[in-house]
Order: sequence, then structure tokens, then C-alpha cells
Amino acid sequence: DAGVIQSPRHEVTEMGQEVTLRCKPISGHDYLFWYRQTMMRGLELLIYFNNNVPIDDSGMPEDRFSAKMPNASFSTLKIQPSEPRDSAVYFCASSREGAGTEAFFGQGTRLTVV
Amino acid sequence: TQLLEQSPQFLSIQEGENLTVYCNSSSVFSSLQWYRQEPGEGPVLLVTVVTGGEVKKLKRLTFQFGDARKDSSLHITAAQPGDTGLYLCAGEDTGFQKLVFGTGTRLLVSP
Repeated sequence: DAGVIQSPRHEVTEMGQEVTLRCKPISGHDYLFWYRQTMMRGLELLIYFNNNVPIDDSGMPEDRFSAKMPNASFSTLKIQPSEPRDSAVYFCASSREGAGTEAFFGQGTRLTVV
Repeated sequence: TQLLEQSPQFLSIQEGENLTVYCNSSSVFSSLQWYRQEPGEGPVLLVTVVTGGEVKKLKRLTFQFGDARKDSSLHITAAQPGDTGLYLCAGEDTGFQKLVFGTGTRLLVSP
């Protein structure tokens, strides 16, 4: 399996623009997670899905952030409008059903908003 | 809000030294995982501990889960430069299968 695939790897955009991050989870995994990592706040859980249904979006910082999972093999995280404080590395991870199961991470998208 | 505090935040040691990283919380977790992250990559799982008091060994790494399932430690014996990286503990929220990550410990092992 190719693992969790994220695109793009790097994104530089101007403040106010819309940004869309993409994720393809590992086939057969039931859970998908979106995390944001910064030096100041570490790795924060933004939202997660179970069988394509959003379960907990309490980590989404503002209404400017939205996430969708239209099918089992694709998810997007959208920021509209983007702001400089959104600059971070965004990770997608997936896992199978079951307590204690491993979360497999993608390589992340480094977002810079100028 | 569940918080996992790791200490120390940064650790710079010489090859061959031993070290211990701590992960503490006031919350109970159904399992505790340790990940290592290298620059430009996502975290990769090292170990999962599930039972209070459980000890697991992975070569030179020893992991322990506290009796009350609120804290954990990672001990590395005779550290090597290849151990350099960001070490993250992650608690699994009971019944929800979501991971809350600790603040991280950045380890640098010099030859």
C-alpha cells in the first residue's frame, strides 16, 4: 500500500485566498484525522471522520475551516479566507477500527500564508 | 480538554548516554502510544501500551504505562545519533478512538 497520500506538499498563498488540502487515506481504514502542527501549539486534532461521517470537529479553529469526506478514499480540508496565522503543517492520518490501533500519517502539507 | 504534558521539551545528549522522557496527564486513557517524527515526515508509531503498569521493550527503548493509565515514560539506553527526532506521546480518548498528542520532546544525539 502507498500509505496516506497528501497533496500538495507545499502551498504558499496570499492572505484572503482559498486553500484546499487533499488526503487519500489507506484503503480499508475506517477513520480519518486532520491535524495541524506548529512549534507553539504542537500537534492539534482539528476534525476526524468515521466511515466518512464527521464525528468531532471541536478542534476546528474557526468557521473559515471546513472539511469533507465525500467517499472512503478522499478528504479535503478547506480554509477560506486564509490568514497568516493559519501557516502550519497540516497532517492527515488514517486508522482501522479498534482501540489502540496505529494511526498512519501522511507526509503533511506545509502551508504558508503571506 | 485533555492535555498531555511532556518533559523535557528539549534534550541534547552525547552518544552512549541514557535518557528518560515523561508524558503526564490528569486524564485516563484507554491506551497510550509513542510516535517518533523526523523532519519533513509525519509521526511514525513506536509502540502502544494498553494495560496499567505495562512495560514494553523495543531494542534499546523501554516504554511504561502508569498504573492509573494517566502517564507514561520512554527510556532510551545508550542513545545513538539515529535516535534523534521529535518524540510524541498520544493518548487515546476512551471509547472514541481519537488520539490527543503530547507537547513533544525534541531529542538531539550527537556523535
